[in-house]
Amino acid sequence: EVQVLESGGGLVQPGGSLRLSCAASGFTFSNYAMSWVRQAPGKGLEWVSTISGSGASTYYADSVKGRFTISRDNSKNTLYLQMSSLRAEDTALYYCAKQPSGVFLYNWFDPWGQGTPVTVSS
Amino acid sequence: DIQMTQSPSSLSASVGDRVTITCRASQSINNFLNWYQQTPGKAPKLLIYAASSLQSGVPSRFSGSGSRTDFTLTITSLQPEDVAAYYCQQTYSPPLTFGGGTKVEIK
Repeated sequence: EVQVLESGGGLVQPGGSLRLSCAASGFTFSNYAMSWVRQAPGKGLEWVSTISGSGASTYYADSVKGRFTISRDNSKNTLYLQMSSLRAEDTALYYCAKQPSGVFLYNWFDPWGQGTPVTVSS
Repeated sequence: DIQMTQSPSSLSASVGDRVTITCRASQSINNFLNWYQQTPGKAPKLLIYAASSLQSGVPSRFSGSGSRTDFTLTITSLQPEDVAAYYCQQTYSPPLTFGGGTKVEIK
């Protein structure tokens, strides 16, 4: 069964850093692009970042560019999101999701993990 | 950026009703439009990809149609388990964008 499972969320002060992880299983991880999507409390979905299957290409929403870094370790079947200079508006449930190919565009997200919560507050 | 506008933002319908949700893109996205269902407290789930392809395991009462800028998600006979928020998403051009969501309730 194809599964992704996020971890690493928590409470962090404004300006702080946090690293999220997403463990994948049930598929050949390196063949597929992976993405992070977040959902602020009571709000809709916001795409955050995507990384190609090889890890050579990365893409970011303007709202996180320069502050967040997406990466992957294909030997460990794990996706990461390093978040720094965190702001209150980054407070959200962060989901990772698999894409059906190794490339960024023209596809979809399936499956999604259950999410890991990030709260930025003093 | 491509803006995705969903309507209505919420609706209430009876069990067995036909429900239609629309999603409009601010520019043509060909058919690179997906629909997701998010039941309360759960992660989003893919329903429809590439505008009209039903994801495996999704009940056949769900269907999608449209192209270029105008898209529709239809539930032919609303069931209690369909209470959820529904989101459209374009993957034609970065940044990837979602619609604002439609909350479906049972009357």
